[in-house]
Amino acid sequence: GDSVTQMEGPVTLSEEAFLTINCTYTATGYPSLFWYVQYPGEGLQLLLKATKADDKGSNKGFEATYRKETTSFHLEKGSVQVSDSAVYFCALGPSGGYQKVTFGTGTKLQVIP
Amino acid sequence: DTGVSQDPRHKITKRGQNVTFRCDPISEHNRLYWYRQTLGQGPEFLTYFQNEAQLEKSRLLSDRFSAERPKGSFSTLEIQRTEQGDSAMYLCASSLPDRGTDTQYFGPGTRLTVL
Repeated sequence: GDSVTQMEGPVTLSEEAFLTINCTYTATGYPSLFWYVQYPGEGLQLLLKATKADDKGSNKGFEATYRKETTSFHLEKGSVQVSDSAVYFCALGPSGGYQKVTFGTGTKLQVIP
Repeated sequence: DTGVSQDPRHKITKRGQNVTFRCDPISEHNRLYWYRQTLGQGPEFLTYFQNEAQLEKSRLLSDRFSAERPKGSFSTLEIQRTEQGDSAMYLCASSLPDRGTDTQYFGPGTRLTVL
């Protein structure tokens, strides 16, 4: 079945450091890919998405490119801020006739001043 | 656009009691989803509605769980005879498919603690 594997955390970075959170997936069909972010005590917020191969999603300085050949959707940001501290979830959109979104286990990011 | 809302935000109950949660989706979104999230894990799909019809149910949704969306707007999730293993965050999401894409927007969740 569909699955998402993302790097385990926590990831601790200094402010202004470069961020990469790896995400790979297994899916039937050609699903959309998403990154969601969850701040402490809050629900999930959509960070960015890509709907087809080679699409690049971007938002708030974060980027991720839908790589079909490597089945990956790595999240990157050139310069992180303390306010980026949160848990980041890679997710696989509906595919194979099912409507559920399949999430990875999440990667906790802590940015220190 | 007020976003997805959920009520209550927190619920503490004793084992064996019944609980009910409510979700109000983004207006005009015809799809509504329930997920469960336990500590340190990603959300897991429970069930999905298109308008008032419940079209998918996960194996996670035991007989003690029931969800409704009577008029195709808000939804309720009821857990009967709660168990300690039901303690989790219950998330609701809604969506409106558009030109082949379907992005789910999540509410803040209801955190359930079963004592």
